[in-house]
Amino acid sequence: DVKVTQSSRYLVKRTGEKVFLECVQDMDHENMFWYRQDPGLGLRLIYFSYDVKMKEKGDIPEGYSVSREKKERFSLILESASTNQTSMYLCASSPVGINNQPQHFGDGTRLSIL
Amino acid sequence: AQTVTQSQPEMSVQEAETVTLSCTYDTSESDYYLFWYKQPPSRQMILVIRQEAYKQQNATENRFSVNFQKAAKSFSLKISDSQLGDAAMYFCAYRSSYGGATNKLIFGTGTLLAVQP
Repeated sequence: DVKVTQSSRYLVKRTGEKVFLECVQDMDHENMFWYRQDPGLGLRLIYFSYDVKMKEKGDIPEGYSVSREKKERFSLILESASTNQTSMYLCASSPVGINNQPQHFGDGTRLSIL
Repeated sequence: AQTVTQSQPEMSVQEAETVTLSCTYDTSESDYYLFWYKQPPSRQMILVIRQEAYKQQNATENRFSVNFQKAAKSFSLKISDSQLGDAAMYFCAYRSSYGGATNKLIFGTGTLLAVQP
């Protein structure tokens, strides 16, 4: 089974801090994704990566950056955390080139910015 | 741009009964993929069922089936013989087949399903 592991289930940080959310997948997937999940808004794509050191903005990239130095690891960075970034963050991965393959998700990180 | 709409924020069903969750989408493309994902409380999101738009036959996975109406751009999920473990948030998602290698998904806002014993 595909395993997508997010480093923290719950995280509390302060306004202005630099926050790192880590995600690791064990299935050699080329694609990795970061989503934000808010009630009534569903999942919104923040950033995705289709290869090492390659990244593209999703629908809501403002206030975030990402890093993919190794194929299995995709990090989401909140450069200066703000209270409106309090949310559930989901990481996902998928193989490339197989159109009907689903994305595989991690357990999520519930981030609170105080 | 494609959009996915789930018009039922919450649904409730009695154990052993059948429930249908609605999903509509908007696209100008002719070839695409549709997915239903399940997110149990505080647990990982998992795939329930998928449908390729070029297939006329509705997908079925055990107690889960879809009613795919391509012309109406509708993709509803039917859960038969509902069980307590079916209680979860359900998301409908769309993927273009023209999106290249990135497999980007567009999600609806979700339907929270409660199962009453």
